[in-house]
Amino acid sequence: EDKVVQSPLSLVVHEGDTVTLNCSYEVTNFRSLLWYKQEKKAPTFLFMLTSSGIEKKSGRLSSILDKKELFSILNITATQTGDSAIYLCAVPSQGGSEKLVFGKGTKLTVNP
Amino acid sequence: NAGVTQTPKFQVLKTGQSMTLQCAQDMNHEYMSWYRQDPGMGLRLIHYSVGAGITDQGEVPNGYNVSRSTTEDFPLRLLSAAPSQTSVYFCASRWGRGFNSPLHFGNGTRLTVT
Repeated sequence: EDKVVQSPLSLVVHEGDTVTLNCSYEVTNFRSLLWYKQEKKAPTFLFMLTSSGIEKKSGRLSSILDKKELFSILNITATQTGDSAIYLCAVPSQGGSEKLVFGKGTKLTVNP
Repeated sequence: NAGVTQTPKFQVLKTGQSMTLQCAQDMNHEYMSWYRQDPGMGLRLIHYSVGAGITDQGEVPNGYNVSRSTTEDFPLRLLSAAPSQTSVYFCASRWGRGFNSPLHFGNGTRLTVT
């Protein structure tokens, strides 16, 4: 069965800290890994990763994939209170490329 | 361009009642899906559709029906609501097949079954 495990499940930091969120996966015929940010309502797309070792970057957020060790990390530098959210990791299931399996998410709280 | 629109935003049902959660997208996306989100459980796929007239089951389909008569609409039906269906429901769509493009989510429907 396909599995996505995120850690930690929750994290509390102070503004300005750097955080690293982890996502490990088990899936046959890996295609891609996606990161989403969920604030109060709908998850919004952050990154899609398909190749090992190639960092994707958007402002203070960056992510990288390790296909050999089956994990990805999401880094946030110089955190701000607006970064407080649930960060979700997902991979397409081996059961069909049309199913996306999500991890339980990491709840990040950034205190002023 | 409204994206993915879900109605209603909130709903309270009594056990045994039926209702339909509406989802519409105006991006001409072929793929549409329904997820439920429960505390500590993440997002779990209920049903999905790769195009009009085609639907399939996800991870937790029991108690839910779907149909896809048009590209734009993908309603989710609860035939006989149960307290275990208390959850936040998200509709999501994307362009094309496979996951080479990201999902776009609606703002969710918070359902409480008493």
